[in-house]
Amino acid sequence: DTAVSQTPKYLVTQMGNDKSIKCEQNLGHDTMYWYKQDSKKFLKIMFSYNNKELIINETVPNRFSPKSPDKAHLNLHINSLELGDSAVYFCASSQTSVPSDTQYFGPGTRLTVL
Amino acid sequence: DQQVKQNSPSLSVQEGRISILNCDYTNSMFDYFLWYKKYPAEGPTFLISISSIKDKNEDGRFTVFLNKSAKHLSLHIVPSQPGDSAVYFCAASALTGGGNKLTFGTGTQLKVEL
Repeated sequence: DTAVSQTPKYLVTQMGNDKSIKCEQNLGHDTMYWYKQDSKKFLKIMFSYNNKELIINETVPNRFSPKSPDKAHLNLHINSLELGDSAVYFCASSQTSVPSDTQYFGPGTRLTVL
Repeated sequence: DQQVKQNSPSLSVQEGRISILNCDYTNSMFDYFLWYKKYPAEGPTFLISISSIKDKNEDGRFTVFLNKSAKHLSLHIVPSQPGDSAVYFCAASALTGGGNKLTFGTGTQLKVEL
């Protein structure tokens, strides 16, 4: 009965590869997010989707492309991986895009680029 | 440019005593503040929030205090329990014009000792 799930939990890959991280929520929420936690533990928002529409797009390289096939899923595709992409990526969801709505986080995906 | 700062990376407290975690922010547009708790290998979970129209919000053992003039908030945990040992993140957003973007601090590792 996991609320927000991510796959895979760990991802180790070589520089230059293309990889995807999947996220699913079974809470019936309208809004989903991707966050990146870097080596300094700084948790920063990357994207936010509301009803499959992109509403937040922070300063993220265009090698990162979110895809939302439906309200329950928000996948993150990363092209031409670089060493600096190594981080923990968290997916989250909230009922609506109102800032006071609680955001529920997935367990994270640890990406290591060699 | 870190708009939300948690200057203490770690805090150690005896079981039963009070834990006080501090957070400072620089952006005057922030008017909604949250605390999240994170265990290893899990995503952050929402703990408590406060809007700028209040200076205190209490939920069981957890109380958040907001000092708008000082741009400072704190989380008090009384009494502290071993299960409270986790990383605590402070986060902030702007209810109007800020979308649903949360800006996080770098976290404080709390250790509650027996």
